Amino acid sequence: GIQVEQSPPDLILQEGANSTLRCNFSDSVNNLQWFHQNPWGQLINLFYIPSGTKQNGRLSATTVATERYSLLYISSSQTTDSGVYFCAVEVSNSGYALNFGKGTSLLVTP
Amino acid sequence: GAVVSQHPSWVICKSGTSVKIECRSLDFQATTMFWYRQFPKQSLMLMATSNEGSKATYEQGVEKDKFLINHASLTLSTLTVTSAHPEDSSFYICSAPKAGETQQFFGPGTRLTVL
Repeated sequence: GIQVEQSPPDLILQEGANSTLRCNFSDSVNNLQWFHQNPWGQLINLFYIPSGTKQNGRLSATTVATERYSLLYISSSQTTDSGVYFCAVEVSNSGYALNFGKGTSLLVTP
Repeated sequence: GAVVSQHPSWVICKSGTSVKIECRSLDFQATTMFWYRQFPKQSLMLMATSNEGSKATYEQGVEKDKFLINHASLTLSTLTVTSAHPEDSSFYICSAPKAGETQQFFGPGTRLTVL
């Protein structure tokens, strides 16, 4: 099956710092989503981005489908950004089921 | 965006009992729903695909007789953990694609603790 690798696995930032999270995937994908899982477990959709670049406030994402990677940028980080960030891709023949990476655990300190 | 709910949000049960978890699409119909499981500090793993009006399909290694899935209507899928054991303690999350939308929508999850 498709492999989804995220880096770094853990990240500690001071409030105000910027960061880049990376997601590599091993095959062509129909769908790629970035999620933030909050401390209560809720998955929050950040971006649907199978290709191209999108921005939403302090967050932006870029997917280069031909090179099979996606990047999530967090600028001016805040303590509320803490949590786990997952990249998930749709396996083309599975009818929308998502294959998740192992996540990046982010801690933003005051 | 679309809304998917789960009930209960958390449940504690004794070993050997069965627990039913509901997943509802509140503002759209879903012919397909997905069930994922997440152990502490791990990623989400797909367990099964729930299909309205037909049998669920299970991922390799997931016991279909232990994790019963019923997709009774276009807005409801249920996951029943039968004869639960402590190793079944986990966070169970459902998701559903919405027609015309390319992204998936996830429920808030159900935390199961088996004593």
